[in-house]
Amino acid sequence: GQSLEQPSEVTAVEGAIVQINCTYQTSGFYGLSWYQQHDGGAPTFLSYNALDGLEETGRFSSFLSRSDSYGYLLLQELQMKDSASYFCAVRGVSGSARQLTFGSGTQLTVLP
Amino acid sequence: GAGVSQSPSNKVTEKGKDVELRCDPISGHTALYWYRQSLGQGLEFLIYFQGNSAPDKSGLPSDRFSAERTGGSVSTLTIQRTQQEDSAVYLCASSLLGAGKETQYFGPGTRLLVL
Repeated sequence: GQSLEQPSEVTAVEGAIVQINCTYQTSGFYGLSWYQQHDGGAPTFLSYNALDGLEETGRFSSFLSRSDSYGYLLLQELQMKDSASYFCAVRGVSGSARQLTFGSGTQLTVLP
Repeated sequence: GAGVSQSPSNKVTEKGKDVELRCDPISGHTALYWYRQSLGQGLEFLIYFQGNSAPDKSGLPSDRFSAERTGGSVSTLTIQRTQQEDSAVYLCASSLLGAGKETQYFGPGTRLLVL
């Protein structure tokens, strides 16, 4: 089976840096993705790591260590609009498919 | 271009009734996924279609749930004899496999309430 763990809540102030961690257990591994979801909205893709290391996309960066089955999402220069839920998702193998399994999500609250 | 669309956006039904939820994926996307999200929870995988291959139904919670994808495009998720625990947001996503990241593009979801 596949499982992911991430913190349920994180709070930070505007302008700060916050790191959201994700550990996973999967059968097979093809990559770690991050999605953002605002209240009442659809998840939107943020970042993807297939190999070890850091991927940077503007204020957001994502890191992966396959040997540790661990990754994180780093958000810099936090803005109020970054308040949302953030999900890590692992593409592993379940049954016959390369299935995407999502974590339970981390609710980020950005304070003024 | 147009994104993933779903209909209806909201559905209220009585326990025991059947419901059909529709998903129109992004044109040309070969893969289509259905997920369920309960309030404050993560996304629960339901079913996955890829091209003409047999769908992966491993996430369907019971035989009351079924889905089909016609012509490799539009998909319908059917829930028979709905129960109150079926209340959730049902999200559809599509992706273009072979594009490396296999980014999934989500629709706005259908909010289902079973009374």
